[in-house]
Amino acid sequence: DIQMTQSPSSLSASIGDRVTITCRASQGISNYLAWFQQKPGKAPKSLIYDASSLQSGVPSKFSGSGSGTDFTLTISSLQPEDFATYYCQQYNSYPLTFGGGTKVEIK
Amino acid sequence: EVQLVESGGGLVQPGGSLRLSCAASGFSLSTYWMSWVRQVPGKGLEWVANIKPDGSQKFYVDSVKGRFTISGDSAKNSLYLQMDSLRVEDTAVYYCARGGGHLDWGQGTLVTVSS
Repeated sequence: DIQMTQSPSSLSASIGDRVTITCRASQGISNYLAWFQQKPGKAPKSLIYDASSLQSGVPSKFSGSGSGTDFTLTISSLQPEDFATYYCQQYNSYPLTFGGGTKVEIK
Repeated sequence: EVQLVESGGGLVQPGGSLRLSCAASGFSLSTYWMSWVRQVPGKGLEWVANIKPDGSQKFYVDSVKGRFTISGDSAKNSLYLQMDSLRVEDTAVYYCARGGGHLDWGQGTLVTVSS
């Protein structure tokens, strides 16, 4: 199974900060990586697919990059609505696997 | 607009069965891979199963193989998850999701396995 390791597991940031979350795959997954945002009590929401493609309707402050084993999600200017938990997920091979999540909190 | 609406969750005893449904609208089930993903409250996400658009291929996480069956009905544009021999550790919110990259998600349905 491919292990997805996210770092950090949590972070505190201020409004307007640039935030970067890292996801590392235990083996190469090409660009078959997605990022999701989840707020408490809500379903996950797709942000990025194929490592760097922005899902329709998602603001351009979110961006994704990487290929192979190392990937990043960047939020260019953190806003109040961005405080949530973020997950990465690989869909290169079965079983599909998620990272453990990164909780973004207000500083 | 894409919509996914899950139903069928509830309380069931260990060893029991439950069938989850996911009604899709705004797209045709026969053109997308579809998945079930679950989440223990307060914990992370776990992919459970998915199915090819034509239903010819199905994949499962090891922990549910032989107990869960994913299926789709193109006429009803609905996805299903038949869950048999349920265990306490299957307790979770179950989501259906569209596409290999899980582009859209339903609101989830809670399954509680407890005596």
